[in-house]
Amino acid sequence: DGGITQSPKYLFRKEGQNVTLSCEQNLNHDAMYWYRQDPGQGLRLIYYSQIVNDFQKGDIAEGYSVSREKKESFPLTVTSAQKNPTAFYLCASSLDQRDPYEQYFGPGTRLTVT
Amino acid sequence: GDSVTQMEGPVTLSEEAFLTINCTYTATGYPSLFWYVQYPGEGLQLLLKATKADDKGSNKGFEATYRKETTSFHLEKGSVQVSDSAVYFCALRPGFQKLVFGTGTRLLVSP
Repeated sequence: DGGITQSPKYLFRKEGQNVTLSCEQNLNHDAMYWYRQDPGQGLRLIYYSQIVNDFQKGDIAEGYSVSREKKESFPLTVTSAQKNPTAFYLCASSLDQRDPYEQYFGPGTRLTVT
Repeated sequence: GDSVTQMEGPVTLSEEAFLTINCTYTATGYPSLFWYVQYPGEGLQLLLKATKADDKGSNKGFEATYRKETTSFHLEKGSVQVSDSAVYFCALRPGFQKLVFGTGTRLLVSP
């Protein structure tokens, strides 16, 4: 079964700690994305990667970091510099960044920081 | 800049009612348009898409037509079911750029 896995589904951290969210895909997709979803808001792009060892900032990259060492994996680190880290985080991938390739989404990780 | 505007929710309907969720957009050029659905606690799934003016996307009884003259992509379904209860997101992709999402519209269908 091809798809995107995100783990864990729920994550709790204390303020001031860095935390890494996992995203793995076995769809052989080149492009991967991280989005943040807050209640009553649409998805906002944090980072995206078109190819291994390359990534670009999205609209709200401050306080986040990523790596893309393998095609299948695109982990997101939420650092202590992120002012409001509590949110639902969604990872997505697409065959290619260009239109009309659709993005496939993982099930998400809900991060709560107290 | 590019943006998507969706009607405020929640939209509350009885089973078998007709559904319309409005979506209008602002974009330069000729974007592709999408509707995604998010069931409780899950990620987003692509529901349908249209890549050029007058295209109609359809899936699972849902339809939306790309209207360039009114910059709209309204989602419709003739007869909703309880299982359609979810949050629906309209999105656009302006050329080779990233997806731009609307704020989402929650649909609640009661038996």
